[in-house]
Amino acid sequence: TQLLEQSPQFLSIQEGENLTVYCNSSSVFSSLQWYRQEPGEGPVLLVTVVTGGEVKKLKRLTFQFGDARKDSSLHITAAQPGDTGLYLCAGDGGAGNMLTFGGGTRLMVKP
Amino acid sequence: NAGVTQTPKFRILKIGQSMTLQCTQDMNHNYMYWYRQDPGMGLKLIYYSVGAGITDKGEVPNGYNVSRSTTEDFPLRLELAAPSQTSVYFCASAQGRQGRPTIYFGEGSWLTVV
Repeated sequence: TQLLEQSPQFLSIQEGENLTVYCNSSSVFSSLQWYRQEPGEGPVLLVTVVTGGEVKKLKRLTFQFGDARKDSSLHITAAQPGDTGLYLCAGDGGAGNMLTFGGGTRLMVKP
Repeated sequence: NAGVTQTPKFRILKIGQSMTLQCTQDMNHNYMYWYRQDPGMGLKLIYYSVGAGITDKGEVPNGYNVSRSTTEDFPLRLELAAPSQTSVYFCASAQGRQGRPTIYFGEGSWLTVV
């Protein structure tokens, strides 16, 4: 069973601060995805990283896939209240495009 | 732009009752999934399907059954509901290359077993 551990589980910061969320595993994944989920809604895909060492940017969000494709990080610059939500990482390592999800990081950005 | 549609949105069941969560997608995706999400947690895969007529167990299949008679529909059946099945259930579908799925989630079904 492939496991993904996210840290921290909870993060409460002030508007304008920077933060980094981590997603770690002992398993290798063919790709890794980051989702954001808002209360009462399903997860929405933010990005997919495929190549070891790959860095992708989405406005103030920077995603990095570890060289060994076992871990990933999400860095948010100058966080805003609109960034509040549950951030989930998910890895694809098997057949059927099955994703293994991490436990999530719940982010609250206070104005 | 329907995407993935789940019904019902909310349901309260008594212990021992049965019910079916409906899921339909209009994107002609081959892959479909059922996940459950307990409060404040990530998602756990219950069952998945790689195409009509093909289903397989995920991480937490006990107490559930699925069928996939058409590409569009992937209902999840709960038999003999138990309090441990209180959760939010998400149906999803996917397209894309193997190893790079683009997964679309429904809005979720909140189930409480009392």
